Amino acid sequence: GNSVTQMEGPVTLSEEAFLTINCTYTATGYPSLFWYVQYPGEGLQLLLKATKADDKGSNKGFEATYRKETTSFHLEKGSVQVSDSAVYFCALSPRGNQAGTALIFGKGTTLSVSS
Amino acid sequence: GAVVSQHPSWVICKSGTSVKIECRSLDFQATTMFWYRQFPKQSLMLMATSNEGSKATYEQGVEKDKFLINHASLTLSTLTVTSAHPEDSSFYICSAETLAGYEQYFGPGTRLTVT
Repeated sequence: GNSVTQMEGPVTLSEEAFLTINCTYTATGYPSLFWYVQYPGEGLQLLLKATKADDKGSNKGFEATYRKETTSFHLEKGSVQVSDSAVYFCALSPRGNQAGTALIFGKGTTLSVSS
Repeated sequence: GAVVSQHPSWVICKSGTSVKIECRSLDFQATTMFWYRQFPKQSLMLMATSNEGSKATYEQGVEKDKFLINHASLTLSTLTVTSAHPEDSSFYICSAETLAGYEQYFGPGTRLTVT
């Protein structure tokens, strides 16, 4: 079946530290991959996405590369800020960019950045 | 960008009563909307897929008579929790899929507390 596994949190970092949140997936076919961010008390916001192998999604200094060979989509940022403190969800769409496909989410990783 | 709203943002109700949650796509049309449930510090679990003008498709284990979904127009889907019980207390999140590109946008969520 389809599933997403991401590293357990919480992840606690100092401002300007390097961030990696690991995400691996299991899927049949050619899924699309996503990272969503959820700030306290708010809904999910799309952070970045990649629709095929070797694609790199990037936004707001965050990056993730779709690695088919390792079935991974790790999230990275070179220098985190306090404002990056949130819960990050890795997700996949099992049928890629097809209509009517719900997303499958990982359990989320809480990031806490201190100044 | 595409905006999805949910109303109410939070609601407290007494056990045995029913609560209706609205999900609206404000600036785009959505043939398909999804309803998720999120427990504290856990991932989003898909409850049902809602298609405009047809019956919703429920995930295994979700009681369709308890969680009534209506998708009467291309911009509105509603979730009614009938005869609510304390175990229905949760954070309910909807997402709406654009007709072009099949992007999904998430609402801010509705926190339901049943006393």
